[in-house]
Amino acid sequence: DVKVTQSSRYLVKRTGEKVFLECVQDMDHENMFWYRQDPGLGLRLIYFSYDVKMKEKGDIPEGYSVSREKKERFSLILESASTNQTSMYLCASRPTGGYGYTFGSGTRLTVV
Amino acid sequence: QQQVKQSPQSLIVQKGGISIINCAYENTAFDYFPWYQQFPGKGPALLIAIRPDVSEKKEGRFTISFNKSAKQFSLHIMDSQPGDSATYFCAARANYGGSQGNLIFGKGTKLSVKP
Repeated sequence: DVKVTQSSRYLVKRTGEKVFLECVQDMDHENMFWYRQDPGLGLRLIYFSYDVKMKEKGDIPEGYSVSREKKERFSLILESASTNQTSMYLCASRPTGGYGYTFGSGTRLTVV
Repeated sequence: QQQVKQSPQSLIVQKGGISIINCAYENTAFDYFPWYQQFPGKGPALLIAIRPDVSEKKEGRFTISFNKSAKQFSLHIMDSQPGDSATYFCAARANYGGSQGNLIFGKGTKLSVKP
């Protein structure tokens, strides 16, 4: 069964901390995505990557960065966490030319 | 325009009733329209999808109706069950530019089916 695995289900961090959210997929997909999900706002795209070491800004990249050193792993970095980054974070992947996304189960991040 | 507009934001339906969620788009370069279902604590999962050359697709109790001229598509859930209670997202696949192949999501509809 194909999988997108997010390393943490729940995470509590303090304001100002550097936070790493990890995502690993086992499907050899070229494209990977980070979304945040907030009530009433739906899924908002933070960053995506279409290849190793490549990244593109999504709709709300401010306050975030990403890293993709290996094809299977896509990391989201909060350089200095703030309370307004408290959210559910979802990782997804898609093969080039493919249509469907496979999502991970999400990481619920609380910044206090 | 990259938006996909989804309505309603929330929906309460009695068991056995029909749930209808609507989406509208403006960009004619979209070439694939999926619906995703998300249960609490889980990531969204593909439920059903349609291409613009087809007006309707049915899978079990779930049907997508697609109106190309109106740039609208909708999800119908027949004989709704409490187990269908979830958040539903419509989406459209961009077939142009730097976002080629990426999905544009609606804001979601939280469906509650009452027993």
